[in-house]
Amino acid sequence: SSELTQDPAVSVALGQTVRITCQGDSLRNYYATWYQQKPGQAPIFVIYGKNNRPSGIPDRFSGSNSGNTASLTITGAQAEDEADYYCSSRDNSGNHWVFGGGTKLTVL
Amino acid sequence: QITLKESGPTLVKPTQTLTLTCTFSGFSLSTSGVAVGWIRQPPGKALEWLALIYWDDDKRYSPSLKSRLTITKDTSKNQVVLTMTNMNPVDTATYYCAHSVAVQDWFDTWGQGTLVTVSS
Repeated sequence: SSELTQDPAVSVALGQTVRITCQGDSLRNYYATWYQQKPGQAPIFVIYGKNNRPSGIPDRFSGSNSGNTASLTITGAQAEDEADYYCSSRDNSGNHWVFGGGTKLTVL
Repeated sequence: QITLKESGPTLVKPTQTLTLTCTFSGFSLSTSGVAVGWIRQPPGKALEWLALIYWDDDKRYSPSLKSRLTITKDTSKNQVVLTMTNMNPVDTATYYCAHSVAVQDWFDTWGQGTLVTVSS
């Protein structure tokens, strides 16, 4: 399968920890990349590879992988973390890319 | 600093061909390993990968859209062009181009996107 599945919506209380998950067969062979997208803006990548953060991304963002599931964890969610989050990876052929359906994160 | 910017028509009619240009700076598509991809996003919907071109002119296309897409590069102009034939209202979306590198699985820098509406 070349699909990545995400929960459509997740909420978290301010300062609490939230995990956003992504499932797909390709994740057994490829790490997920996580993108954050705020309204009216282009996506930015927040986690890549095994568990790497680009420069400027707070260390409250972390990633993990197990079997066919990748997870993005925000430890101590802040109001500015409210956004849509997309996972992505190559498909099983390695020649194409796939995105998940996105998870809308609400910080209460 | 890497930057990318998409340009093209904001409105196309059904059955027409869409041509979008990605103009970039801060890198060269003649440098080994560099790649530029296109991703789109219908209003209120998820991201969808479309195509990618490598520095060596190797190309990859979404299997579901392959028959309608062509990606090319003009290294001298620092541009990548995406054409999509037989446009349909369901192709209405914001189209993004983004920078990548062959050894990585992610798009590290994205353009601002350009909204294309398909309507008669």
